[in-house]
Amino acid sequence: EVQLLESGGGFVQPGGSLRLSCATSGFTFGSYAMGWIRQAPGKGLEWVSTINGKGDDTYYADSVKGRFIISRDGSDSTLSLQLNSLRAADTAVYFCARVSITFGGLIIYFDSWGQGTLVTVSS
Amino acid sequence: DVRMTQSPSSLSASVGDRVTITCRASRSISSYLNWYQQKPGKAPQLLMYAASTLQSGVPSRFSGSGSGTNFTLTISSLQPEDFATYYCQQSYSTLIFTFGPGTTVDIK
Repeated sequence: EVQLLESGGGFVQPGGSLRLSCATSGFTFGSYAMGWIRQAPGKGLEWVSTINGKGDDTYYADSVKGRFIISRDGSDSTLSLQLNSLRAADTAVYFCARVSITFGGLIIYFDSWGQGTLVTVSS
Repeated sequence: DVRMTQSPSSLSASVGDRVTITCRASRSISSYLNWYQQKPGKAPQLLMYAASTLQSGVPSRFSGSGSGTNFTLTISSLQPEDFATYYCQQSYSTLIFTFGPGTTVDIK
């Protein structure tokens, strides 16, 4: 069974930093791209970042580019997101998700999600 | 960047109703469109990918159609467990994604 478990959320002041982790199990970690998606309180889903299976290709939403860093560690099947220069607008539940890529790379979707970890940025 | 819109933003319906949600992309995304369902306090779950392919385990009352810029998600006979928020998401740009703003289906 695929399992994704986020941790590391919490309360931080504007300008501060936080590191989120997503522990995974039940699948071959290195064979899948992984992503982070966030949801501000009472709002919709916002894609944040994606990393390919090898970890050498990363993508970011414009809203976090230059401030957040996605990474992965194959030795313990963990996905991470380093959040720097945090703003109030970054307050959200952060979900990690597995990316399924099929049909020769044409069909891509998030097929498994964690339960999320809450990040609150406030003074 | 591809922008996604959904309509309506919310709707009220009764058990047994046929419900249709529309999703539009700012430019053609072929059939690279996915649908997710999210219930309050829970993580989203994949319903459909490639516009019309049902994810394993999803009831057949859900169906999807469309290509290019216009897509629809239809629930043929709404069940109590279907009251939720539905999001479309484009995957045209490889590992760069955009979600629609969501459509909340609640009980009339």
